[in-house]
Amino acid sequence: EDQVTQSPEALRLQEGESSSLNCSYTVSGLRGLFWYRQDPGKGPEFLFTLYSAGEEKEKERLKATLTKKESFLHITAPKPEDSATYLCAVGSAGNMLTFGGGTRLMVKP
Amino acid sequence: DGGITQSPKYLFRKEGQNVTLSCEQNLNHDAMYWYRQDPGQGLRLIYYSQIVNDFQKGDIAEGYSVSREKKESFPLTVTSAQKNPTAFYLCASSESSGGSGANVLTFGAGSRLTVL
Repeated sequence: EDQVTQSPEALRLQEGESSSLNCSYTVSGLRGLFWYRQDPGKGPEFLFTLYSAGEEKEKERLKATLTKKESFLHITAPKPEDSATYLCAVGSAGNMLTFGGGTRLMVKP
Repeated sequence: DGGITQSPKYLFRKEGQNVTLSCEQNLNHDAMYWYRQDPGQGLRLIYYSQIVNDFQKGDIAEGYSVSREKKESFPLTVTSAQKNPTAFYLCASSESSGGSGANVLTFGAGSRLTVL
């Protein structure tokens, strides 16, 4: 059974204070690791897909990395508009996506 | 603009009533999904459909029913048998079935159901 654990559950940062969110996973045959952003009361929006260990992807202040056991979402010099819940999900062969519980990020001005 | 439309945004239900949540997509995606989201928990899969007139149960299908009569539409009915239906419901679609485990999902804006 695929499992995904995200930490921390909540993270408060000051504007400009860089940090990382963690997504630990166990899966038999990773086909893809996905990061989504979800604003309150809205549906998740796709950010990145990572397919193999060592892969990295960037978008504005966000950078996602992947190892064989975990993924990190690095946030560099965050702004208040980066405040959201960030969801991690893994996909394996023959299975639907398994989502983690999310990390709620709050960036104070 | 292509996307997924869910309605209603908010829905209130009395105990013992069935309610139906609408999900329509104009992305020409083959696969559609229904997820349930509870505070502080990950998304849990209720039902999914890979093709018209076919659908499969997800992890928490008890108390729910779906239909897929058209490619664009995948309504979810929350029946009176669902013991704790108060939650945020999300509809999603992808270009092909999630069986490959590597398909990007596009989500709707969600429907919040409250049982009075």
